[in-house]
Amino acid sequence: EIVMTQSPATLSLSPGERATLSCRASQSVSGSLAWYQQKPGQAPRLLIYGASTRATGIPARFSGSGSVTEFTLTISSLQSEDFAVYYCQQYNNWPRTFGQGTKVQIK
Amino acid sequence: EMQLVESGGGLVQPGRSLRLSCAASGFTFDDYAMYWVRQAPGKGLEWVSHISWNGGSIDYADSVKGRFTISRDNAKNSLYLQMNSLRAEDTALYYCTKDVGGGAFDIWGQGTMVTVSS
Repeated sequence: EIVMTQSPATLSLSPGERATLSCRASQSVSGSLAWYQQKPGQAPRLLIYGASTRATGIPARFSGSGSVTEFTLTISSLQSEDFAVYYCQQYNNWPRTFGQGTKVQIK
Repeated sequence: EMQLVESGGGLVQPGRSLRLSCAASGFTFDDYAMYWVRQAPGKGLEWVSHISWNGGSIDYADSVKGRFTISRDNAKNSLYLQMNSLRAEDTALYYCTKDVGGGAFDIWGQGTMVTVSS
């Protein structure tokens, strides 16, 4: 099983600041990496797939990069609606596995 | 609008069974693989099971293998999860999700809660 490790666990930032979230895979997942956003009481929402492709309707302030085992989600300028938990997920191997999440909270 | 609506959750005793359903609308259901993903209270996301567009390929997480069975009825635009021999650790919100076309999950239902307790 591929273990996905996200860092940091919590990120405390102010609106307008840049957020950089990391995700590391225990072995290569090629470019088969997705990022999801989850707000309290809501289902996850797909932000990025294929490591860098924004899903339909996702604002341009969200960008993804990386390959093989190291991936990054960047939010260029945090908006109030971006404070949430973010998960990475690999879909290169079975079982599909998620990271433990990074909580982006207001500083 | 693409939509997934889960149902069938509830409170069940350990060792008993439950069947979850997911009704799909707004897209061509039989074009896509489908998945179940769960989230225990206050915890992260766990992939549970996958079924290909025609049911020819199926996978399960080790934690549910041998106890859960995924199936689909393309004529009814529906996905199912038969859960047997339920355990306390199966307590979670169960989401039905759709494959974006390459393996990520682009559409999610609102989830149905399963609580396993005596």
